[in-house]
Amino acid sequence: QQQVKQSPQSLIVQKGGISIINCAYENTAFDYFPWYQQFPGKGPALLIAIRPDVSEKKEGRFTISFNKSAKQFSLHIMDSQPGDSATYFCAAAIFSRGSTLGRLYFGRGTQLTVWP
Amino acid sequence: NAGVTQTPKFRILKIGQSMTLQCTQDMNHNYMYWYRQDPGMGLKLIYYSVGAGITDKGEVPNGYNVSRSTTEDFPLRLELAAPSQTSVYFCASKQGATFINSPLHFGNGTRLTVT
Repeated sequence: QQQVKQSPQSLIVQKGGISIINCAYENTAFDYFPWYQQFPGKGPALLIAIRPDVSEKKEGRFTISFNKSAKQFSLHIMDSQPGDSATYFCAAAIFSRGSTLGRLYFGRGTQLTVWP
Repeated sequence: NAGVTQTPKFRILKIGQSMTLQCTQDMNHNYMYWYRQDPGMGLKLIYYSVGAGITDKGEVPNGYNVSRSTTEDFPLRLELAAPSQTSVYFCASKQGATFINSPLHFGNGTRLTVT
């Protein structure tokens, strides 16, 4: 069962456009929502993250919008550039009481291509 | 500033062979993880460790084993390789128990093909 559902699977955007990737979850115990960026041949790297008590977080051209009531969050990339072409993963983290491990669940990924 | 180092980068195994994927980190992180990444499926947790001598299963542990004799190293062992283990394997580490203020640091992966 996929804990975090991500869409679309692939996205093609023209340079300068806005890229939007959406994620949804069911478990209200999730307490941290990071986004990872992965370039070919590399491991994922943390891009930006948000906590559920915040509705929006912006870092440069990257913005997370968070809708707690709808259990959805999205990544917006403004002024998309060819260098943004990568695979993006949303994730949700939970720290279970009685466990020594915080668990992180990943979406299936979105392959973004930005055409020049 | 090496971070998380994985070796080898690529490997082809025949069905039934065994191998060890190596992972080492130089950040003195307590928590280490092994994930597998299959196309269109995201990352699935195989095994994790909260410190030297302590390991536990993740979501997809069958067919794999791990050990953690030092803080730095966290090798993943495949016994009797099967085609279903064809995947890209990522090792990751972090300092604290939670993910808030303690992000995961990934290696660059090992691409394994079992034929």
